Amino acid sequence: EDKVVQSPLSLVVHEGDTVTLNCSYEVTNFRSLLWYKQEKKAPTFLFMLTSSGIEKKSGRLSSILDKKELFSILNITATQTGDSAVYLCAVPSNTGNQFYFGTGTSLTVIP
Amino acid sequence: NAGVTQTPKFQVLKTGQSMTLQCAQDMNHNSMYWYRQDPGMGLRLIYYSASEGTTDKGEVPNGYNVSRLNKREFSLRLESAAPSQTSVYFCASSGRGNQPQHFGDGTRLSIL
Repeated sequence: EDKVVQSPLSLVVHEGDTVTLNCSYEVTNFRSLLWYKQEKKAPTFLFMLTSSGIEKKSGRLSSILDKKELFSILNITATQTGDSAVYLCAVPSNTGNQFYFGTGTSLTVIP
Repeated sequence: NAGVTQTPKFQVLKTGQSMTLQCAQDMNHNSMYWYRQDPGMGLRLIYYSASEGTTDKGEVPNGYNVSRLNKREFSLRLESAAPSQTSVYFCASSGRGNQPQHFGDGTRLSIL
């Protein structure tokens, strides 16, 4: 059965800390892995990863994929209160017609 | 750029009532999706439409119906609402292949 598992479920850190969020997956015919950030409303797209070992970076956020071990990590350095959100990981299905989402990691950054 | 627009934003229903959630996208995307999001459960797919004229069941389709009215619009109908359907509903769309999904702002639905 295809599945996506995220850890930890929740995390509370202080501003300035660095955090690492994990996403492991089992899916037939892997194509890509996507990270989203969800604040109060709609999830917004962060990264799409297709190749192992190639880091995607945007400001303080970065992500990397390991297709051999079937996981991805999302790193956030020098966290700010605005990073507080739920971070979701998703993988397209075998046919590419739908996406499997993890349950998300809830990150709270305290001043 | 409107992106994905959902209506209504909030709704309260009584058990047994029916209603339709509307979704429209202006990005010329082929694929559209309806999810529900419950605490601790993540996003669960209700139905999806890979292209105009086709719809398929997702993980949790029971109690729902959908209509892909045209390429832009994909509606979700609750024929006889139940308290277990209290949730936040998200519509999303995406282009061909495994392109990222774009989400609407959600509909918060409470069923009493």
